[in-house]
Amino acid sequence: NAGVTQTPKFRILKIGQSMTLQCAQDMNHNYMYWYRQDPGMGLKLIYYSVGAGITDKGEVPNGYNVSRSTTEDFPLRLELAAPSQTSVYFCASSYAGTSGSYEQYFGPGTRLTVT
Amino acid sequence: GQSLEQPSEVTAVEGAIVQINCTYQTSGFYGLSWYQQHDGGAPTFLSYNGLDGLEETGRFSSFLSRSDSYGYLLLQELQMKDSASYFCAVRVNTNAGKSTFGDGTTLTVKP
Repeated sequence: NAGVTQTPKFRILKIGQSMTLQCAQDMNHNYMYWYRQDPGMGLKLIYYSVGAGITDKGEVPNGYNVSRSTTEDFPLRLELAAPSQTSVYFCASSYAGTSGSYEQYFGPGTRLTVT
Repeated sequence: GQSLEQPSEVTAVEGAIVQINCTYQTSGFYGLSWYQQHDGGAPTFLSYNGLDGLEETGRFSSFLSRSDSYGYLLLQELQMKDSASYFCAVRVNTNAGKSTFGDGTTLTVKP
């Protein structure tokens, strides 16, 4: 199993450009999440999904959009990029598990710079 | 909303024991998780406490007291490779596994 994969690994955007960060998982997990992590900080939830066709906002959704057409894929769209969106973006997936832990499996991250 | 407090930095020597505390304020608390993140890497899951008490996984243990809104991660027999950031995360009472993460504790293990 590849686990959670993310592309691209790095990207530099100009202000006002748009892009899509790709995320895929092959573990058949229902739940998927997008986080951003600024330097020296924790993870902030942008959007999450409980299954194909169902998404909801997290703590910091402004400036982003998501879709979930399949169980495997959960792309994150940035429209009109701004310098404040410079961050590392992590995608994760989870399932409930026997203990109800919802242990999250993270992708390797996308390092995005907006200049 | 939710808020979590954990120390920003901890330093210890190889072979020692270190405890990283986490206090939280939240509504609909469901459980506390711990994640490890090496510099430049992705977070990886370490442990979960849904009930009060101690959970042990090898050199790592995690403790939860729901009445005190408090938990800790205990790392024993520290190794250089344990140098990393450690995040506590609270899961709120939903079926989506949503978690709010603390800002992390950077552990430096010295020889």
